[in-house]
Amino acid sequence: DAGITQSPRYKITETGRQVTLMCHQTWSHSYMFWYRQDLGHGLRLIYYSAAADITDKGEVPDGYVVSRSKTENFPLTLESATRSQTSVYFCASSESRDTIYFGEGSWLTVV
Amino acid sequence: GQQVMQIPQYQHVQEGEDFTTYCNSSTTLSNIQWYKQRPGGHPVFLIQLVKSGEVKKQKRLTFQFGEAKKNSSLHITATQTTDVGTYFCAGFSGSARQLTFGSGTQLTVLP
Repeated sequence: DAGITQSPRYKITETGRQVTLMCHQTWSHSYMFWYRQDLGHGLRLIYYSAAADITDKGEVPDGYVVSRSKTENFPLTLESATRSQTSVYFCASSESRDTIYFGEGSWLTVV
Repeated sequence: GQQVMQIPQYQHVQEGEDFTTYCNSSTTLSNIQWYKQRPGGHPVFLIQLVKSGEVKKQKRLTFQFGEAKKNSSLHITATQTTDVGTYFCAGFSGSARQLTFGSGTQLTVLP
């Protein structure tokens, strides 16, 4: 199902550039999350949001900015991309402290 | 902070053999969730366990939540090639506001 969509799916960018990864969900879930996944580190939470205009830091927030002006959208911005931010980024949503539904991921390479 | 450890990190089995992955938390969990991620895919929710000692089955998959609610296991009977992927556990502790994911067990099934 296409309840949560991410764009772009694949992105190559240069060090120092600003990059925004988009996330849109159609379920009206209250919670939205951004995770990054790297070999050997599993899924690490970058930022999350409990509702529109409410965001909070996760485990690895440095170098990232989020906003949530509308319930359905939760963009993630890398203000000045670094090579260490090369990763797979997953957006996810949830109605409560319960099942998390993940998007298909955005593969980001910083060169 | 809360830590969730998973073992083994990798497991290769012959098709038809059984497989078990274990999840251990440093703190008592209010619930435990299991996710499966196919190669190149995104994590997909499998099941949630809430009660101490709870056992749930999904066809060939058996999930167990420990009596102390600090550990869990996933057992697959007679593995098939379709079982290939990485299995993650994830849990909430009473003080944590968000899920903490284990590092995952990557299962390879040899035909």
